[in-house]
Amino acid sequence: DTEVTQTPKHLVMGMTNKKSLKCEQHMGHRAMYWYKQKAKKPPELMFVYSYEKLSINESVPSRFSPECPNSSLLNLHLHALQPEDSALYLCASEEVSGGAAKNIQYFGAGTRLSVL
Amino acid sequence: AQKITQTQPGMFVQEKEAVTLDCTYDTSDPSYGLFWYKQPSSGEMIFLIYQGSYDQQNATEGRYSLNFQKARKSANLVISASQLGDSAMYFCAMRDRNRDDKIIFGKGTRLHILP
Repeated sequence: DTEVTQTPKHLVMGMTNKKSLKCEQHMGHRAMYWYKQKAKKPPELMFVYSYEKLSINESVPSRFSPECPNSSLLNLHLHALQPEDSALYLCASEEVSGGAAKNIQYFGAGTRLSVL
Repeated sequence: AQKITQTQPGMFVQEKEAVTLDCTYDTSDPSYGLFWYKQPSSGEMIFLIYQGSYDQQNATEGRYSLNFQKARKSANLVISASQLGDSAMYFCAMRDRNRDDKIIFGKGTRLHILP
């Protein structure tokens, strides 16, 4: 089973709202990722968690706040977003092993976010 | 700089024909991994196939095969006997140690299978 589950599938929010995206996997993977994908573009890395600790933040604005409460769950808290933040947000997970170049990332179906 | 190049923004192919999606890459790290992902309009990124830089044989997964030409830095995806359900965006990707093992994606190729 290589399933990564993301909820909600769609989200519409105003610029003053606070919302959260959720990502869950039960494959025992200890690395989890958030990506942002604009239409007709490849995914862009936002955050990386390794063993529940934030290891990479790709200079993402503070209105995006990631959280990894346990090894199976990854959240992305959203606050005071801008219309240009509208995008598909993808979560991914992978098994942490010695040879990172061969690790396969498994993605969820994403959350389509619209900021009005 | 490490990068992935997909030169075909879009392709139209007749159903049941074989398809080759081009991908070239650039890296100075001798140890790297190459990946292909499929993204249907639903949004999910589906892992298709992996090729390691030290693998002697070309990777195959069902109807998917990777034509790995190391000297040319080429990693083309071949889909045999294409199906209507193969219509999607396809991303070639690479990861190596020079970019902290982050995955680098190409710009993608939009594949349309015609009935």
